Amino acid sequence: AQSVAQPEDQVNVAEGNPLTVKCTYSVSGNPYLFWYVQYPNRGLQFLLKYITGDNLVKGSYGFEAEFNKSQTSFHLKKPSALVSDSALYFCAVRDMGGATNKLIFGTGTLLAVQP
Amino acid sequence: DGGITQSPKYLFRKEGQNVTLSCEQNLNHDAMYWYRQDPGQGLRLIYYSQIVNDFQKGDIAEGYSVSREKKESFPLTVTSAQKNPTAFYLCASRTPGQDTGELFFGEGSRLTVL
Repeated sequence: AQSVAQPEDQVNVAEGNPLTVKCTYSVSGNPYLFWYVQYPNRGLQFLLKYITGDNLVKGSYGFEAEFNKSQTSFHLKKPSALVSDSALYFCAVRDMGGATNKLIFGTGTLLAVQP
Repeated sequence: DGGITQSPKYLFRKEGQNVTLSCEQNLNHDAMYWYRQDPGQGLRLIYYSQIVNDFQKGDIAEGYSVSREKKESFPLTVTSAQKNPTAFYLCASRTPGQDTGELFFGEGSRLTVL
């Protein structure tokens, strides 16, 4: 069965420092991977996705993610964190079983950027 | 502007009552989804619909029902059979493109059972 894991419930980083939010996946076949961000009491916003091609994917708000097939990881990164980046981040993988085209989400990682 | 509109944003319900959450989209997307979000559990799929007049159960469909009579609308009813309905409910639709399309989400509806 397809799954994603976000091993950290919370990540703390100082403003201006680089940030990494970790995600590992388990799928059969080639993975389709996504990152979303959620601000308090809001819906999720799409950040970026990996389907195929370059392992480094660039997305919205200066975020990027690196696909690593050998480590089955898709970590979200940003070179310089902003206080406004503080939010809940979700990694997701496309469920390739059947024709559902649904996403399977991780449990989320709360990013806290201190000024 | 195109998007997904969920209403109401906050809803309180007494035990034993059914309640319907509205989800409307003007993105012309075929596929629509309902997710439930609980703290520390991520998002879990309740129901999804790939086309008008068709819908399928997700992972936690018990105690919920849906309809898809129009492309734009995918309402979710939380019935009295749902044992723990207090949660944040998110509706989404998917961009065309087979497996690669990302989801667009509404702003969510927070249901509290008193």
